[in-house]
Amino acid sequence: GEDVEQSLFLSVREGDSSVINCTYTDSSSTYLYWYKQEPGAGLQLLTYIFSNMDMKQDQRLTVLLNKKDKHLSLRIADTQTGDSAIYFCAGFSGGYNKLIFGAGTRLAVHP
Amino acid sequence: DVKVTQSSRYLVKRTGEKVFLECVQDMDHENMFWYRQDPGLGLRLIYFSYDVKMKEKGDIPEGYSVSREKKERFSLILESASTNQTSMYLCASSYQGKDYGYTFGSGTRLTVV
Repeated sequence: GEDVEQSLFLSVREGDSSVINCTYTDSSSTYLYWYKQEPGAGLQLLTYIFSNMDMKQDQRLTVLLNKKDKHLSLRIADTQTGDSAIYFCAGFSGGYNKLIFGAGTRLAVHP
Repeated sequence: DVKVTQSSRYLVKRTGEKVFLECVQDMDHENMFWYRQDPGLGLRLIYFSYDVKMKEKGDIPEGYSVSREKKERFSLILESASTNQTSMYLCASSYQGKDYGYTFGSGTRLTVV
């Protein structure tokens, strides 16, 4: 089955770029997703990329997909304190549309 | 605005109590899911359902059961709550057969004392 791995913690200075990385094992997922979880809240879909794309840009967010290496990354430009959250990457595996999530990367933004 | 609604944000229950966590979605989604989230462990799937009255075990079903009598509602039941079930519980729903991702509820933080 799918296995999704992320580093657990990232600390950046306000205004810098953040890059959150993810590796996965199952390449059958049509889409790969990034979710954001703010403190005490549920997960919100942040962005996603179609598996036949290499890159997707959405305002301050850039998603890069390297299918050969099974590596997904999320870049946040001009990181703000409001970006402090846990970020999860996810992909589908198996039947019943089961999403498999990474453990989440906690992004801390400091002045 | 489409929603997944979890009935309680915070719950405190005593050891041995039977606990019901309720989740309702208004998107006519076929699939519904219950996860628990613990620090450093990410999201772990407890149970999911792909149709009314249907259920499938996830990765950690022990100590839990579920009920789906109506399409829009998926209940998680802790038969006899224990302190190791203190956690954040997240409900999600999705369309079947489409890779549109999940919509999550806001979560229920359950403390068992």
